[in-house]
Amino acid sequence: GNSVTQMEGPVTLSEEAFLTINCTYTATGYPSLFWYVQYPGEGLQLLLKATKADDKGSNKGFEATYRKETTSFHLEKGSVQVSDSAVYFCALGPYGGATNKLIFGTGTLLAVQP
Amino acid sequence: GAGVSQTPSNKVTEKGKYVELRCDPISGHTALYWYRQSLGQGPEFLIYFQGTGAADDSGLPNDRFFAVRPEGSVSTLKIQRTERGDSAVYLCASSFGNQETQYFGPGTRLLVL
Repeated sequence: GNSVTQMEGPVTLSEEAFLTINCTYTATGYPSLFWYVQYPGEGLQLLLKATKADDKGSNKGFEATYRKETTSFHLEKGSVQVSDSAVYFCALGPYGGATNKLIFGTGTLLAVQP
Repeated sequence: GAGVSQTPSNKVTEKGKYVELRCDPISGHTALYWYRQSLGQGPEFLIYFQGTGAADDSGLPNDRFFAVRPEGSVSTLKIQRTERGDSAVYLCASSFGNQETQYFGPGTRLLVL
């Protein structure tokens, strides 16, 4: 079935370090791919998305490219800040038809130290 | 504009009791979703409404769980005979239509003692 696999956390970085959070997926059809972020004490927020192969989503300095050949959607940021500390979720869907659910990974906790 | 709102923000109940969780979607959004997030996990799909009807309820874990959206706006998730394993954060999301980006509410944290 369809699934998302994220790298396990926690990921601990110093401020201004480079960030990569790996995400791979298994899916039939042509899903959209998403990164959602959950800051401490807050709800899930959409960070970025890509709707087809080779699309790059970007927002707040974060980027992710939809790679169909490697079934991946890795999240990157060139220079993290303390305020980026949060849990990051990779998700896939919807992928056409009546089913509209999102399928989430287990989340990756990012802790950025000053 | 206003985002998705959920009430209550926290609910503590006893095993065997009945609970209702409410979701107010973003105005104009026709699609509404319920997810459940257990500690340390990602959200898991429960049910999806398009308008007033449940288009996909395949994620409801058993017949103790039921959801309604009678006027195509506000939705209520109902849990009968609660069990300790039902303890989780229940998330609601809405979107303009099928296949569109889902926007999440802050969630209701349910604790069953």
